[in-house]
Amino acid sequence: QQQVKQSPQSLIVQKGGISIINCAYENTAFDYFPWYQQFPGKGPALLIAIRPDVSEKKEGRFTISFNKSAKQFSLHIMDSQPGDSATYFCAASKWAANQFYFGTGTSLTVIP
Amino acid sequence: DVKVTQSSRYLVKRTGEKVFLECVQDMDHENMFWYRQDPGLGLRLIYFSYDVKMKEKGDIPEGYSVSREKKERFSLILESASTNQTSMYLCASSPQGISYEQYFGPGTRLTVT
Repeated sequence: QQQVKQSPQSLIVQKGGISIINCAYENTAFDYFPWYQQFPGKGPALLIAIRPDVSEKKEGRFTISFNKSAKQFSLHIMDSQPGDSATYFCAASKWAANQFYFGTGTSLTVIP
Repeated sequence: DVKVTQSSRYLVKRTGEKVFLECVQDMDHENMFWYRQDPGLGLRLIYFSYDVKMKEKGDIPEGYSVSREKKERFSLILESASTNQTSMYLCASSPQGISYEQYFGPGTRLTVT
């Protein structure tokens, strides 16, 4: 059973556009929501993360929006660049717990 | 820089063979993890270890075992490889108590024929 549901599976965006990836979870005990970015041939790397005490977190062109009541969170990439082309995974866990539950991943392609 | 290395980038094995995947981290992290990554399924946790000689099952431990004899090294063992274990295997590590960031190795692409 998938603990975290992620959509879309793939996304194509024009350079300069906004990329939006959505995730939903069921377990209300989750209180840490990271996003990982994976380039071809590399392992995933932490991109940005949020805890549910805030509804939004921004780091440069990357923003996480969090809706606790809907149990949904999303990643927005503003002014998308070809270098952003990668696979993005959302995840959820209990804070300081060892086990993350990852989404199924979104393959993002940014067209020049 | 945290570095997690995996012994092989690509591996081809035959059905029934015993397979060892090795992972080494150089940041003195307590926690280490083994995931497999499959298209459309994301990353699924096989096993993790929070200390030397300690291990916990993840979501899909069947057909796998692990060994952690030293803090920096975590091995994944396929006792008798099967074709449905063809996958990308990712190792990760994190410090104890601050396990929100997991540092991943580059992965091992295992093909079982």
